[in-house]
Amino acid sequence: EPEVTQTPSHQVTQMGQEVILRCVPISNHLYFYWYRQILGQKVEFLVSFYNNEISEKSEIFDDQFSVERPDGSNFTLKIRSTKLEDSAMYFCASSTGTGNYGYTFGSGTRLTVV
Amino acid sequence: QQQVKQSPQSLIVQKGGISIINCAYENTAFDYFPWYQQFPGKGPALLIAIRPDVSEKKEGRFTISFNKSAKQFSLHIMDSQPGDSATYFCAASSTGFQKLVFGTGTRLLVSP
Repeated sequence: EPEVTQTPSHQVTQMGQEVILRCVPISNHLYFYWYRQILGQKVEFLVSFYNNEISEKSEIFDDQFSVERPDGSNFTLKIRSTKLEDSAMYFCASSTGTGNYGYTFGSGTRLTVV
Repeated sequence: QQQVKQSPQSLIVQKGGISIINCAYENTAFDYFPWYQQFPGKGPALLIAIRPDVSEKKEGRFTISFNKSAKQFSLHIMDSQPGDSATYFCAASSTGFQKLVFGTGTRLLVSP
């Protein structure tokens, strides 16, 4: 079964550093998303991406964050100047945007800011 | 208005019993209601989903009941098994490929 692949599975970074979280969505999917989940809390939407541009973003997704699809397969989330409160699981997801809808989520990257 | 309220926060059910998790929403523009299952250290996995044109959808042991007038929907897990022990999230979207608004999650433990 096709999977959304995320790397790394765990990243530890110093406060103030920049991190890039990487995702390979399912190949025929057209919509891409980032969500985050602070430990023990609900999953929160960050941003959706379609046709090489952001289609929607939440209030969490401020100037500290950016997304990019640098080639035909990767989808990245960049977090600049990380803060302690950025520590969370970050999930990438993708969707065909048609039919039965439904997202496929990756297994996540656990980001720890120290 | 974007919130999805989920209850209970945690649930313990004996093996073979029925697990019931409830969600309520306010935004009448929502028209896609999935349930996700999440195991520790994993991403949410789509379990079952419903559109508001039907009141019930069943897939194996999992059933969604949907009450459009009350703006509520629920997940029923029949013959619950220890392997069903996980966190369950309801969610809602105004279309299937727009952002998902998640509930707060229910931690289900099925005792042997």
